[in-house]
Parts: sequence; C-alpha cells; structure tokens
Amino acid sequence: AIQMTQSPSSLSASVGDGVTITCRASQGIGNELGWYQQRPGKAPKLLICAASSLQSGVPSRFSGSGSGTDFTLTITSLQPEDVATYYCLQDYRYPFTFGPGTKVDIK
Amino acid sequence: EVQLVESGGDLVQPGGSLRLSCAGSGVTISSYWMGWARQAPGKGLEWVANTNPGETDKNYADSVKGRFTISRDNAKNSLYLQMNSLRAEDTAMYYCARQTVVPQDAFDIWGQGTKVTVAS
Repeated sequence: AIQMTQSPSSLSASVGDGVTITCRASQGIGNELGWYQQRPGKAPKLLICAASSLQSGVPSRFSGSGSGTDFTLTITSLQPEDVATYYCLQDYRYPFTFGPGTKVDIK
Repeated sequence: EVQLVESGGDLVQPGGSLRLSCAGSGVTISSYWMGWARQAPGKGLEWVANTNPGETDKNYADSVKGRFTISRDNAKNSLYLQMNSLRAEDTAMYYCARQTVVPQDAFDIWGQGTKVTVAS
C-alpha cells in the first residue's frame, strides 16, 4: 500500500499567519491527492482535490500544490475557524490511504 | 439540505456482526461511487471500502478484506456496510461519503458518522 506522511504533526500559529502543511507519498501518485479538514467533533470536509483544485465554497485562503510524491496545503491567513486537523488522502491506487493528520491550533 | 445519514452503530461483542446503513437525503447517490471511512477514538482517518454505482467494482482496505462487505440499494438511495468477525480494533466512528470520479476522485459529501464499539 502507498504510505502517506505529513509534517508537522501539529502546529500553533497566530490569527493572520500563513501556514504550510506538507504531505509526502511513498511513491509517485501524479496529482491524485485530496486535502480534508476535520474540525473537533465533526465529520471531515473536502477542501481540495486533484492536488490543487479548490472545492466550491472553500475560502480562497486555502490552496494546494504539488505532484508526484510531494504536496503542500497552504493557509495564507489563519482564521479562528481553521482550528482543525488536516488530512491528505491519496486516491491514485487502492487501498486509498490517508496521512496521519496535522493538528492546527491558534496561538 | 444535502446530507448523508448513517445508522446502525452499536456495542457488539468480539466475533459478532453489525450492519451499517447510510441514507441519502436531498442527494441521489445512485449514479455515484460511494464509500466508507472510519476513525478510531483519538486516531486518524482510515479509508475502509468503496463501490461503483452498479456494484461491479468493490475495493477494501487490507484490514477489513474478507470480513466486511459493502453494498447498496439504489432504489432506496442507501449504502450499507456488513461487518462480520468484528475485532476490538474495529471500534471506531464510521463515516459514509459520496465519491466523485470526474474530473478526479474526491469524497465531497460526508455523513455525521455512526459509532461502533467492539467489546465484551
């Protein structure tokens, strides 16, 4: 199975700060990667698919980039409602696999 | 409102069986791939299974292969997960999700989850 890693595992930043989360695949997956946000006690929510395609309704401060094995999720100006755990998911090959998650808090 | 509603979660003994259901409300699932994911308490997300609209293609995580079966009833706008030979490590919140495949795979609508606890 394709292994997904994420870094950092957690971060704390101030409101208005820029934040970058990295996801790495154990083998090339093209651009077949999604980013999901899970707020505390809630179901996951799709933010980005195909590595960089922003889902309708998602604020433009979120962006994704990358291809092959290395991907990033960027939040340009962190807001209080962005407190959540963020997961990447490879949908290139079965079994699909999630990264371990990155927990984002407000400092 | 567009939503998926899971049900069927319960406390079950090791070795037991359980059937989860997921009903579409305000959304027709019959033309979509559909899937299940789970989250053990305090842990990350794990993809479990998915199926295409006609049930001719089904895929499973290695951890559940041979024990879980995904199915659907498009006439009832519902998705199911039959879970047999349950183990303590299957304890989790189970989510169903709609999977788009064009232009790319993505799980764009999620249910609120149903809780499964495997314990004696």
